[in-house]
Amino acid sequence: QKEVEQDPGPLSVPEGAIVSLNCTYSNSAFQYFMWYRQYSRKGPELLMYTYSSGNKEDGRFTAQVDKSSKYISLFIRDSQPSDSATYLCAMSRNDMRFGAGTRLTVKP
Amino acid sequence: DVKVTQSSRYLVKRTGEKVFLECVQDMDHENMFWYRQDPGLGLRLIYFSYDVKMKEKGDIPEGYSVSREKKERFSLILESASTNQTSMYLCASSFRRVGQGVNTIYFGEGSWLTVV
Repeated sequence: QKEVEQDPGPLSVPEGAIVSLNCTYSNSAFQYFMWYRQYSRKGPELLMYTYSSGNKEDGRFTAQVDKSSKYISLFIRDSQPSDSATYLCAMSRNDMRFGAGTRLTVKP
Repeated sequence: DVKVTQSSRYLVKRTGEKVFLECVQDMDHENMFWYRQDPGLGLRLIYFSYDVKMKEKGDIPEGYSVSREKKERFSLILESASTNQTSMYLCASSFRRVGQGVNTIYFGEGSWLTVV
């Protein structure tokens, strides 16, 4: 079993839809939880960063962490074609572990 | 903003060549990392360094070595390139020391290496 599981998709939604991206993990020691966005042929860029359980909102993006269920989510409201990218979840304590990434396409 | 710069974006090398991938960060970060990213396999850690002249093996160090002579610079070396090393290579850095937690890392734009 991988430490971090993420559905690779692909996920295709119409413009304006609410997108839900999810990861599960097995190591209860993880303390920091991140989402990265990666455009085609580019490096991943940090999108959201949270510590411990709860929600964090930044514009159209909301990151949610449920440590009791070992489950994290990223919600994108009013999705735009410019949101089309691969989204990677990541989590860490002493080192960093990444999900495989979910490829998202938002169609105009 | 954090800046991680990888000097070569696209390289084509022949089997058996020695390959150097250079990375520089401008945020005085202690930790630096080299990953490779392949379809279906995600990001895999090759080596990391938490201080000058220090290095630690990651998950897939075989066939690679690294050098960190200055805090801001971390080089990945392929001693004798092989076709199975064709991949995207990503350099990253972070401001926390290993053992004190790594909470976020920042990536460069990536180096696409093709070995023929």
